[in-house]
Amino acid sequence: DIQMTQSPSSLSASIGDRVTITCRASQSISTYLNWYQQKPGKAPKLLIYAASSLQSGVPSRFSGSGSGTDFTLTISSLQPEDFATYYCQQSYSTWTFGQGTKVEIK
Amino acid sequence: EVQLVQSGAEVKKPGESLKISCKGSGYSFTNYWIGWVRQMPGKGLEWMGIFYPGGSDSRYSPSFQGQVTISADKSISTAYLQWSSLKASDTAMYYCGRRNYDTRDAFDIWGQGTMVTVSS
Repeated sequence: DIQMTQSPSSLSASIGDRVTITCRASQSISTYLNWYQQKPGKAPKLLIYAASSLQSGVPSRFSGSGSGTDFTLTISSLQPEDFATYYCQQSYSTWTFGQGTKVEIK
Repeated sequence: EVQLVQSGAEVKKPGESLKISCKGSGYSFTNYWIGWVRQMPGKGLEWMGIFYPGGSDSRYSPSFQGQVTISADKSISTAYLQWSSLKASDTAMYYCGRRNYDTRDAFDIWGQGTMVTVSS
């Protein structure tokens, strides 16, 4: 099974900050890496697919990069509605999620 | 509108059986795999398994193989997740999601979730 490791597990940031979340795969997954946002009591929402493609309707302040084993999700200027938990997911070989990164208000 | 609508919350006793549902609308149900994801209270997302309504193919995570059964009835555009004998540890929120080849196999549409509580 492919394991996904996110860091950090949580972070505190202020409105307008640039935020970066990292995801590492236990083996190469090419660009079969997706990012989701989940708010409390809600279903996950797809933000980024194929490592760097922005899902329709997602604000352009969200971006993704990486290939192989190392990936990054960046929020260029944190907005109030971005406080949530973010998950990476590999879809190279079945599916596996990272453990999540909770973004909290500083 | 493309959507997945899940059945309502369930409260069951250990040992009981259960089948929850996920109904697709606004798209061709038989063209997309439907996956199931568990989220235990306060925890992260775990992929459980996936089913292809167009061909009745299924795949399971090793962690859930033999513990649950995933199926679908394409005549009513509905996918199912079922247990034959629930345990307290099955208490969780369960989400269905649509696998989309156009988004590199990500789950692009999600149901609202079904909360399952198993308690004596």
